[in-house]
Amino acid sequence: EAGVTQFPSHSVIEKGQTVTLRCDPISGHDNLYWYRRVMGKEIKFLLHFVKESKQDESGMPNNRFLAERTGGTYSTLKVQPAELEDSGVYFCASSQDRGRGYTFGSGTRLTVV
Amino acid sequence: LAKTTQPISMDSYEGQEVNITCSHNNIATNDYITWYQQFPSQGPRFIIQGYKTKVTNEVASLFIPADRKSSTLSLPRVSLSDTAVYYCLVGDGGAAGNKLTFGGGTRVLVKP
Repeated sequence: EAGVTQFPSHSVIEKGQTVTLRCDPISGHDNLYWYRRVMGKEIKFLLHFVKESKQDESGMPNNRFLAERTGGTYSTLKVQPAELEDSGVYFCASSQDRGRGYTFGSGTRLTVV
Repeated sequence: LAKTTQPISMDSYEGQEVNITCSHNNIATNDYITWYQQFPSQGPRFIIQGYKTKVTNEVASLFIPADRKSSTLSLPRVSLSDTAVYYCLVGDGGAAGNKLTFGGGTRVLVKP
């Protein structure tokens, strides 16, 4: 079984640019989550999809962040325009049953310079 | 969401048993206790989950006392590859439990 795949693994962009992160969950997993860890801080929840619907987006920091999951398969997280404080590692996770045993991807390390 | 407290770091040696205790005094009736392991440059990996008493799988054991205000993750006979950060999380394991709250984790260093 393929795991959760995230692309790219690393991204370096300039402040003000746009970056789009992609997550491919495990096939058949309806639940997809985005988390992130900014430098020196704890891993924080961003949002949760159930299929193509946003179940909980309470962790999204501001309106510069836009997450989509068209068709309920892969998801994208767009940051536009990126700011320096957006630097960190963005993790995606998927699960079959909500709250049980998430499978995380390896993350995308975003550096905004 | 219940707050968890765990040691910042622990050192051990190969072949020893490592026990990491997590405090969660405000755990709710519906909350499950879940432990994740994270290696550098990787995402957290699910290790074990329990509600009460003892749970054991091929990787670890989880001990939960009757009051459920703490839990202990036990890693038997650790090897160098068990060096990682271990997170204790508490939350609703049912249909409403969709948001994981990570603390600082415990950094375990296994020495030769």
